[in-house]
Amino acid sequence: EIVLTQSPATLSVSPGERATLSCRASQSVSSTLAWYQQKPGQAPRLLIHGASTRAIGVPARFSGSGSGTEFTLTISSLQSEDFAVYYCQHYNNWPLTFGGGTKVEIK
Amino acid sequence: QVQLVESGGGLVKPGGSLRLSCAASGFTFSDYYMSWIRQAPGKGLEWVSYISGGSTVYYADSVKGRFTISRDNAKNSLSLQINSLRPEDTAVYYCARGQNIADYWGQGTLVTVSS
Repeated sequence: EIVLTQSPATLSVSPGERATLSCRASQSVSSTLAWYQQKPGQAPRLLIHGASTRAIGVPARFSGSGSGTEFTLTISSLQSEDFAVYYCQHYNNWPLTFGGGTKVEIK
Repeated sequence: QVQLVESGGGLVKPGGSLRLSCAASGFTFSDYYMSWIRQAPGKGLEWVSYISGGSTVYYADSVKGRFTISRDNAKNSLSLQINSLRPEDTAVYYCARGQNIADYWGQGTLVTVSS
């Protein structure tokens, strides 16, 4: 089973600032990595797939990068609606697994 | 627009059973793999099961032999029969579109296993 480790666990950022979230895989997953956003009381929302392809309707301030074992989600200028928990997920093989999440909170 | 609406959750005793349902609309249901993904309270996400447009299925090891996924393409409906429930099955169960990337999710239904 591939383990995904997200860091940091919590990221405190001021509105308008840049946020950089990390996801590390225990073995290579090539580019088979997705990012999701989850707000309290809501279901997750797909943001990024294929490590860097934005899902339909996702603002351009969200970008993904990386391949192999190291991945990054960048939010270029945080808006109030971006404060949430972010999960990475690989789909290289089964079982699919998720990272433990990074909570982005208001500084 | 794509909508997924789950139902059927509730409080059940250990060893009990439940049947979760998901009503889908806004897309050609039979063309898509569908999945169940769960999230224990305050915890992360676990991909539980998927089913193809036909009959190919997958189960996580943690639920294999206890959970059964099925679908009715004529009714645009997805189901999850969950038997021999354990306290560790307590979670919000989400219906999601997709086999390996969940591009749309329902709002979830809470299953609580407790005596």
